[in-house]
Amino acid sequence: GAVVSQHPSRVICKSGTSVKIECRSLDFQATTMFWYRQFPKKSLMLMATSNEGSKATYEQGVEKDKFLINHASLTLSTLTVTSAHPEDSSFYICSARTGGLVTEAFFGQGTRLTVV
Amino acid sequence: AQSVTQPDIHITVSEGASLELRCNYSYGATPYLFWYVQSPGQGLQLLLKYFSGDTLVQGIKGFEAEFKRSQSSFNLRKPSVHWSDAAEYFCAVKGSGGSNYKLTFGKGTLLTVNP
Repeated sequence: GAVVSQHPSRVICKSGTSVKIECRSLDFQATTMFWYRQFPKKSLMLMATSNEGSKATYEQGVEKDKFLINHASLTLSTLTVTSAHPEDSSFYICSARTGGLVTEAFFGQGTRLTVV
Repeated sequence: AQSVTQPDIHITVSEGASLELRCNYSYGATPYLFWYVQSPGQGLQLLLKYFSGDTLVQGIKGFEAEFKRSQSSFNLRKPSVHWSDAAEYFCAVKGSGGSNYKLTFGKGTLLTVNP
């Protein structure tokens, strides 16, 4: 299957700083990328959907000014957590899919963010 | 709106025993259904998917799942569990209409395998 690479896999940052997470589709062009947040022992919560070259669509309750998403190319999307707080500590996972209706989404390996 | 229920939060089986993980979905039309597996600290790996056709689908690692429209279910099965199958399993649904590829996940079932 297609490969989605997420970087970094683990990051620790100080409160008030910003951290950027990258999601790359290595062997296919991703027209759409998705960012999820996973709380401990909880399911995946979709944060936003991004299409290459356009603004991301955020789910209800997700602060777009705090979680900045950029999908500048068909192989790269970034999530920037701005002014991070300890409650932003979580596991963030991206997924990517090609165009068309009946296709699957491929997931990155996730990023463990710890804000201290 | 679509939704997914995984009734079992945690299941423990012995190695070599059979396994069935339950998944019930809610969607007005024919859904697209998926099972994913997640090892600790890792992303999700697709085990199998159902879009249409044969209601019994085969996946990787010896897993299979059966779509039962009358029961709104898509249960995952494996005849003989291996210790390496210990992980978190997520059922997910996507609506078949439109171009929105938003997946809705269940809360997951943690599988523990005893030697």
